[in-house]
Amino acid sequence: GAVVSQHPSRVICKSGTSVKIECRSLDFQATTMFWYRQFPKKSLMLMATSNEGSKATYEQGVEKDKFLINHASLTLSTLTVTSAHPEDSSFYICSASNLGTQSSYNEQFFGPGTRLTVL
Amino acid sequence: DQQVKQNSPSLSVQEGRISILNCDYTNSMFDYFLWYKKYPAEGPTFLISISSIKDKNEDGRFTVFLNKSAKHLSLHIVPSQPGDSAVYFCAASRAGNTPLVFGKGTRLSVIA
Repeated sequence: GAVVSQHPSRVICKSGTSVKIECRSLDFQATTMFWYRQFPKKSLMLMATSNEGSKATYEQGVEKDKFLINHASLTLSTLTVTSAHPEDSSFYICSASNLGTQSSYNEQFFGPGTRLTVL
Repeated sequence: DQQVKQNSPSLSVQEGRISILNCDYTNSMFDYFLWYKKYPAEGPTFLISISSIKDKNEDGRFTVFLNKSAKHLSLHIVPSQPGDSAVYFCAASRAGNTPLVFGKGTRLSVIA
């Protein structure tokens, strides 16, 4: 399968600072990238969908000014958690998608995730 | 409203036996279904998928069955191995670049 990387894998920051998480598709061009958040013992919660060169589409309840998403190229999307607070501590996972060559279905490949801890 | 449901939060199976993980969905627009495996502090790893035009897809020890009339799918792992111990997520989507909708996951423990 395709490879998606995330950086950093783990970050600890002080309350009020901003944190940027990068998601890269290493061996394919991702037309769409998705950002998820996982709370302990909970499912993956979709935060936003970003298409290269356009504004991200945020899910209901997700603050777009809090979670800034940029998808500047077909291989890179970034999520910036602005003015982070302890309640933003979570496991953030990105996935990258390119419509499959043999089907019209969404083949999503996930990054390894980023553990954010806000003190 | 949960569109994809995994009603069993956990499952324990003896090594060598069959593991059956179940998933139900409510949205009849879904036509592509996937199973992901996830270890703690890692991203999900794709396991197997099935489109709505099929009722079975097999890949090695993993088989996914789809019952469209019941809006139900299941993942069979046989024989189960200790390395299969993980959380398994069922996901569903529609054609095109639409987001996946995930269930809450089932934690599988394979006991040696």
